[in-house]
Amino acid sequence: DTGVSQNPRHKITKRGQNVTFRCDPISEHNRLYWYRQTLGQGPEFLTYFQNEAQLEKSRLLSDRFSAERPKGSFSTLEIQRTEQGDSAMYLCASSSVDGQPQHFGDGTRLSIL
Amino acid sequence: GQNIDQPTEMTATEGAIVQINCTYQTSGFNGLFWYQQHAGEAPTFLSYNVLDGLEEKGRFSSFLSRSKGYSYLLLKELQMKDSASYLCAVKSSLSNSGYALNFGKGTSLLVTP
Repeated sequence: DTGVSQNPRHKITKRGQNVTFRCDPISEHNRLYWYRQTLGQGPEFLTYFQNEAQLEKSRLLSDRFSAERPKGSFSTLEIQRTEQGDSAMYLCASSSVDGQPQHFGDGTRLSIL
Repeated sequence: GQNIDQPTEMTATEGAIVQINCTYQTSGFNGLFWYQQHAGEAPTFLSYNVLDGLEEKGRFSSFLSRSKGYSYLLLKELQMKDSASYLCAVKSSLSNSGYALNFGKGTSLLVTP
């Protein structure tokens, strides 16, 4: 069990640029979740995949956000035309079956200049 | 919707016992998780309660009362390394299987010598 891996760990970009983050879940986990966390807050749910199917999206996920999990393994989260308010820690988590705890990666910290 | 409340900050002494409370209001309760998060790191799973009562795991115990919408995390024999944020998260079913975790803002625990 190598854990959930996310990269990059840090991303600094100018407002208006596009950014993409990657998440590699625990290999035998078919469920993958993206969350966003800002300072002093708990993580907020963004979207959920079961295998390659994106089954749920939060209302927090605007049209500028898109997530994929093309082969049911790793996932990417892209933010287009970044805004100041997108600055946050983006966390990925995975789990095996319902009821089992979600295991989180260390996150990608996004800073918008 | 979900409303999850926990104290913002707590301080306790090394070797002591501390109880971190969490109250929630939710539709469709499916269980409650506690996670520990050190600054700049991933949340790590501590405990899961789905039925009323106490779950004990080493120095950590978690209690749930579904009728009262209340949980607590009990940490015994506090160590300096227990200084961290403790996140209460309520599990809610998603419309298309799987589940999202709805987190409180976290309780920042400081353990002093």
